[in-house]
Amino acid sequence: NAGVTQTPKFQVLKTGQSMTLQCAQDMNHNSMYWYRQDPGMGLRLIYYSASEGTTDKGEVPNGYNVSRLNKREFSLRLESAAPSQTSVYFCASSPGGDYGYTFGSGTRLTVV
Amino acid sequence: DQQVKQNSPSLSVQEGRISILNCDYTNSMFDYFLWYKKYPAEGPTFLISISSIKDKNEDGRFTVFLNKSAKHLSLHIVPSQPGDSAVYFCAGGYGQNFVFGPGTRLSVLP
Repeated sequence: NAGVTQTPKFQVLKTGQSMTLQCAQDMNHNSMYWYRQDPGMGLRLIYYSASEGTTDKGEVPNGYNVSRLNKREFSLRLESAAPSQTSVYFCASSPGGDYGYTFGSGTRLTVV
Repeated sequence: DQQVKQNSPSLSVQEGRISILNCDYTNSMFDYFLWYKKYPAEGPTFLISISSIKDKNEDGRFTVFLNKSAKHLSLHIVPSQPGDSAVYFCAGGYGQNFVFGPGTRLSVLP
């Protein structure tokens, strides 16, 4: 089925470790996004990529880096994980502008 | 400062009745609004949207109302079904950047 695929689904890291969350979409969407969801906070935008080759900071970018590898793939990297980064991470894509998003199923990350 | 607020963390409704989920926003630049539904362990799924040039948009059992002067929108589900039990997020934004509310957990009781 067409959609947004995120890997891994679950991950436990020790403080200070690094990892990359992968996201790929097969809908030929221009825009891709990384969100984190914390209880009572809703979804908060970490970074987004309006089109291939561009990335911009969202509401909570500190501690993260992103790479728009090509039109399909948008990865999120934690260079030195901290317990405050324990969250559920969602990748999303959209055709661009004001269209509804398609979300991945999420990555549950725990930093101990 | 929360730009999008959903002041009811949870809501319970009897099957067959109307569910009304509310959302308030503060940013007057928002010109598009979205509602998403999320089941446990799944990603949010798009439900319905509304542009700021409209005050109502319907899609089957789902209707979204927008009151720009009050910076308020609501999602009506009628009739409510047990499968509608989920967390509902509203989002407001413009261009590429949308801000999501914290969500309201709807429970539809059989």
